[in-house]
Amino acid sequence: AAGVIQSPRHLIKEKRETATLKCYPIPRHDTVYWYQQGPGQDPQFLISFYEKMQSDKGSIPDRFSAQQFSDYHSELNMSSLELGDSALYFCASSLRQDYNSPLHFGNGTRLTVT
Amino acid sequence: AQSVSQHNHHVILSEAASLELGCNYSYGGTVNLFWYVQYPGQHLQLLLKYFSGDPLVKGIKGFEAEFIKSKFSFNLRKPSVQWSDTAEYFCAVNPPAGTYKYIFGTGTRLKVLA
Repeated sequence: AAGVIQSPRHLIKEKRETATLKCYPIPRHDTVYWYQQGPGQDPQFLISFYEKMQSDKGSIPDRFSAQQFSDYHSELNMSSLELGDSALYFCASSLRQDYNSPLHFGNGTRLTVT
Repeated sequence: AQSVSQHNHHVILSEAASLELGCNYSYGGTVNLFWYVQYPGQHLQLLLKYFSGDPLVKGIKGFEAEFIKSKFSFNLRKPSVQWSDTAEYFCAVNPPAGTYKYIFGTGTRLKVLA
């Protein structure tokens, strides 16, 4: 079965650079979530989208932005990167009309800022 | 504010020992409850979920969890752990009528000794 696909798997950037992370949800899933997981920490909710509109916002820094496109894939854009942005970034998708639908997570993008 | 508490941050067990991981949530309304597992270097995978009905739910790999509404708890159990169960376990809550922002606990890191 198709799963959530994230790219790239690994990304190394320098401070003050920009990065773009991509997420392709499970087919027919209309909701995408972004989570940030620092080393040894629990996943922290960043932002979510439903039908290409921002649905909810968590602890996403102003330096980050995200959007969902017409094909439901989503991109997380990160600018002015800081060392503390080094983390595993997970994307998850679900089908909103199925209220009991669990999140399906991608493999994550490991971002290292040097 | 809604929160999820996992009491044990690190648990070390020998193979064949029984496991119980605690999870308590603070939300007065109806919730959907989940346990996710994250094997080293991998993404979050769904172990089991509860949204209604029998408060004892069975998941994959021999795991089960019991929802006790009066205690706001959703503890994860396994009668006999295996070395391959070494992973981090996250409890999560999603209020079905609220935002679509899943709230995760801080995780419990389980190490099973062979």
